[in-house]
Amino acid sequence: EIVLTQSPDFQSVTPKEKVTITCRASQSIGSSLHWYQQKPDQSPKLLIKYASQSISGVPSRFSGSGSGTDFTLTINSLEAEDAAAYYCHQSSSLGGFGQGTKVEIK
Amino acid sequence: QVQLVQSGAEVKKPGASVKVSCKASGYTFTSYGISWVRQAPGQGLEWMGWISAYNGNTNYAQKLQGRVTMTTDTSTSTAYMELRSLRSDDTAVYYCARGHDKSAFDIWGQGTMVTVSS
Repeated sequence: EIVLTQSPDFQSVTPKEKVTITCRASQSIGSSLHWYQQKPDQSPKLLIKYASQSISGVPSRFSGSGSGTDFTLTINSLEAEDAAAYYCHQSSSLGGFGQGTKVEIK
Repeated sequence: QVQLVQSGAEVKKPGASVKVSCKASGYTFTSYGISWVRQAPGQGLEWMGWISAYNGNTNYAQKLQGRVTMTTDTSTSTAYMELRSLRSDDTAVYYCARGHDKSAFDIWGQGTMVTVSS
């Protein structure tokens, strides 16, 4: 079973600040890593697929990078509406999610 | 527009079964798979499994093997997830999402709250 570990678990950030969330896989998963945003009482929303591919309609301040075991989600110039939980998800072997990172706006 | 609409909230007793539906519209149902993900109150996302809407192939999370069954009805573009022998720790919001076991999940249903309580 592939385990995904995100860091940090929680981040308090001021608007316009840059946010970096990392996701580490317990074994190599190539580029089979996707990122989601979930706001309170809403369904998750796909932000980035296959590590770095952008999704239509998602603001360009969201970007992803990495391959193998180490991946990063970057939010450039954080906006108030970005307050949410962020999850990584691997589709290399069955499925699995990281434990989530909650981003709070100061 | 492309959407997945799920059935309503359920309250079940321990040991019972629940069957959640997920009706797809706006795309060719058999061209994609449907995955199921659950989220216990205040917790993270848990992948439950996947079914191909094309041929009915399934893959289930190991911890749910033997208790979960995923099916589809291509005549109504609807996917189903049945969970048996319910326990209190099965209390969660259950989501369906478009995507197969090797892809991202690009469309999500609104979620179905399942409460297991005596």
